[in-house]
Amino acid sequence: KQEVTQIPAALSVPEGENLVLNCSFTDSAIYNLQWFRQDPGKGLTSLLLIQSSQREQTSGRLNASLDKSSGRSTLYIAASQPGDSATYLCAVINAGNNRKLIWGLGTSLAVNP
Amino acid sequence: DAMVIQNPRYQVTQFGKPVTLSCSQTLNHNVMYWYQQKSSQAPKLLFHYYDKDFNNEADTPDNFQSRRPNTSFCFLDIRSPGLGDAAMYLCATSRGGTVGEQYFGPGTRLTVT
Repeated sequence: KQEVTQIPAALSVPEGENLVLNCSFTDSAIYNLQWFRQDPGKGLTSLLLIQSSQREQTSGRLNASLDKSSGRSTLYIAASQPGDSATYLCAVINAGNNRKLIWGLGTSLAVNP
Repeated sequence: DAMVIQNPRYQVTQFGKPVTLSCSQTLNHNVMYWYQQKSSQAPKLLFHYYDKDFNNEADTPDNFQSRRPNTSFCFLDIRSPGLGDAAMYLCATSRGGTVGEQYFGPGTRLTVT
């Protein structure tokens, strides 16, 4: 059974720092991995999707990597800003089931001015 | 802009009084999902439609029903809300097929009094 873990559960950094959020999964047979952002009381915003055949994806200050064999993904945020404060969730779709997301519990990020 | 729209954003209902939440999409996606998310928890998939094909999760209570009258709209009906059904309800869509990326609406916050 696929399990997704995100460490740390919470992170507080000063503005301007580069930071890394971690996501690990137990079954490497995934179809893709998706990173989301959730602001308090709001819906989910898709940040990056990495297909199983890809190693990384970039969007602006965000870079997500995928190492399927070791069951790990990282989300790198460059030059963090207070507006980056939110909860970041990762989720995978298992190979053979391209509709159901298996979720981590998220990392709550606070970027302090 | 193409998007996923949920109405209302906030809904208050009384214990046992049926309530309907709505979701619409302009993405013309084949798949529509309903999730329930409680505080500090990951989203929990309730069910999804692939076109008109309904797929219920095994642990979704019978109290929850869904309708998809056409490609653009999907409804979540809660027949007899209990206090434990208070949560954020998230609608999402995806193209299905081999893509899998899910796009979320802003959510409806349900309060049960």
